[in-house]
Amino acid sequence: NAGVMQNPRHLVRRRGQEARLRCSPMKGHSHVYWYRQLPEEGLKFMVYLQKENIIDESGMPKERFSAEFPKEGPSILRIQQVVRGDSAAYFCASSPIKGTGMNTEAFFGQGTRLTVV
Amino acid sequence: SQQGEEDPQALSIQEGENATMNCSYKTSINNLQWYRQNSGRGLVHLILIRSNEREKHSGRLRVTLDTSKKSSSLLITASRAADTASYFCATDAYDYKLSFGAGTTVTVRA
Repeated sequence: NAGVMQNPRHLVRRRGQEARLRCSPMKGHSHVYWYRQLPEEGLKFMVYLQKENIIDESGMPKERFSAEFPKEGPSILRIQQVVRGDSAAYFCASSPIKGTGMNTEAFFGQGTRLTVV
Repeated sequence: SQQGEEDPQALSIQEGENATMNCSYKTSINNLQWYRQNSGRGLVHLILIRSNEREKHSGRLRVTLDTSKKSSSLLITASRAADTASYFCATDAYDYKLSFGAGTTVTVRA
């Protein structure tokens, strides 16, 4: 059973380009969470999705960022018109049930390191 | 603001010594989890402790939780070079959002 798969592992974009980050949850998991980690900081919650639904996007910047988790395929975090401040590691986690409220650990992917030049 | 705050920010120890790091948080929690992150890598789940538990062990790891003080500690015994990493506590406040601290960077010297 493969873990949470994120790709690409590293992504370099020029300012103004679009970045697409993909996350395939663990088999049987239908809940996906995206977190962002700035250098020397902890992870910050961005968005929580279930299949075809955005449940909570309170941690997402209001502009340029969007996320989806279609019925088929991976979850996508999309950043339009990237700026240098978007440079960070973006982690995806999945769980089989809602959040960790049932004392279930969240399984994290290896992350995508985005560098904006 | 971050829910979990680790202390110290950095820790350097000799191989074989024990490493202790602490985490404080602000609001009521359902559980608290500790993760390890090797440089430039993803997060590895170490241990989860529920709010009604006071202590938990896993191999060389020992975690305590004091809900009255809103704090937790992670003890790594008989440290090894491979334990060199950043360690994060993450709290689950009865919802799906894990709140992470900034982490403790542990360096184990050979």
